[in-house]
Amino acid sequence: NAGVMQNPRHLVRRRGQEARLRCSPMKGHSHVYWYRQLPEEGLKFMVYLQKENIIDESGMPKERFSAEFPKEGPSILRIQQVVRGDSAAYFCASSPRTDGYTFGSGTRLTVV
Amino acid sequence: ELKVEQNPLFLSMQEGKNYTIYCNYSTTSDRLYWYRQDPGKSLESLFVLLSNGAVKQEGRLMASLDTKARLSTLHITAAVHDLSATYFCAVVSTGGGNKLTFGTGTQLKVEL
Repeated sequence: NAGVMQNPRHLVRRRGQEARLRCSPMKGHSHVYWYRQLPEEGLKFMVYLQKENIIDESGMPKERFSAEFPKEGPSILRIQQVVRGDSAAYFCASSPRTDGYTFGSGTRLTVV
Repeated sequence: ELKVEQNPLFLSMQEGKNYTIYCNYSTTSDRLYWYRQDPGKSLESLFVLLSNGAVKQEGRLMASLDTKARLSTLHITAAVHDLSATYFCAVVSTGGGNKLTFGTGTQLKVEL
């Protein structure tokens, strides 16, 4: 069992570019969550998805951010026109039902 | 809106000493988690607490939950250097869906 796989581990983007972060949940897990961690802070919820559905996006910024979890393939967190304030670690977690979260290793996004 | 507060934020202690980290939350909760995070790493699940009076222990760490006081504690017994990390509590609120709301974290440094 490979666990929750996130890639890339590190991503550098220039201001105005797009960032695409991928998350493959654990086998058998149909629930995916994205969290953002700013330096020296706790994790903040962004979005909760099940296959082909966004269940809760209350933590997503209104603009530039989007997420999907297609029927086939990984979940994608997309950040358009990145700004320096988007620099953070983005963690994905998956669960089989409504508990038992497993976190991935995270993607560390740096905007230069 | 659920708020989760931890204290202390920073804790420096000597090996062999005991200490307690506190986690307060503002609304009723379905379950509470404790995680450990090493610098630049992902989150490692330590405990999940489901009911009032729940107590769980693993090695030098013991977690407890008082749902009436909306308080969880993480007690460290006879600390060792290897316990140095940041510890987070996270809460799933009743009726709040499956998202985790994290505390601010406690940076623990155990001096040799």
